[in-house]
Amino acid sequence: SAVISQKPSRDICQRGTSLTIQCQVDSQVTMMFWYRQQPGQSLTLIATANQGSEATYESGFVIDKFPISRPNLTFSTLTVSNMSPEDSSIYLCSVASANEKLFFGSGTQLSVL
Amino acid sequence: GENVEQHPSTLSVQEGDSAVIKCTYSDSASNYFPWYKQELGKRPQLIIDIRSNVGEKKDQRIAVTLNKTAKHFSLHITETQPEDSAVYFCAASPDNFNKFYFGSGTKLNVKP
Repeated sequence: SAVISQKPSRDICQRGTSLTIQCQVDSQVTMMFWYRQQPGQSLTLIATANQGSEATYESGFVIDKFPISRPNLTFSTLTVSNMSPEDSSIYLCSVASANEKLFFGSGTQLSVL
Repeated sequence: GENVEQHPSTLSVQEGDSAVIKCTYSDSASNYFPWYKQELGKRPQLIIDIRSNVGEKKDQRIAVTLNKTAKHFSLHITETQPEDSAVYFCAASPDNFNKFYFGSGTKLNVKP
């Protein structure tokens, strides 16, 4: 399985600010995804990070709020913009391996005050 | 898009008993069904998966069954142990693994 490094692991942010989360993979992968997991809830797909093109967002998520970069096949960032307390959640980077299995990074626990 | 439903939301069993978690999906194009285990404060870990050309798959104490006609799949854990206590998520992937959609999760508690 791929080794996925995600940082920061946690952060406490003020309302109205933005946070950028980084995801680094130890091998080239085609598919990278960003998920949100609210406390005690399931995993909700935010977007698919496409290398060399704009991310593909799921219903309910927009680029202005969650801009994503994917400059190469091993790295991606997710920014949570203009944060509010409702954005408090765990954000997880994930990748589909060569044999199409999905693996997760360690997550970023975000608290917005 | 795909809708994955999972039940029960909580399951409590005695150590040594079996546990069964069930999921249904809506998109007939889904062809890959993984199961994840998430311990408190940790990332989801893939524990077993099944593809649509197979009806059942086993790995030691865990097994997964798939009924494509009925669009449901299940996770079976036999001889449960306290370390099996965790939240389990099912998922489905249509669109040639370009997306994965998750069920709502089952909190399994194995009582010693």
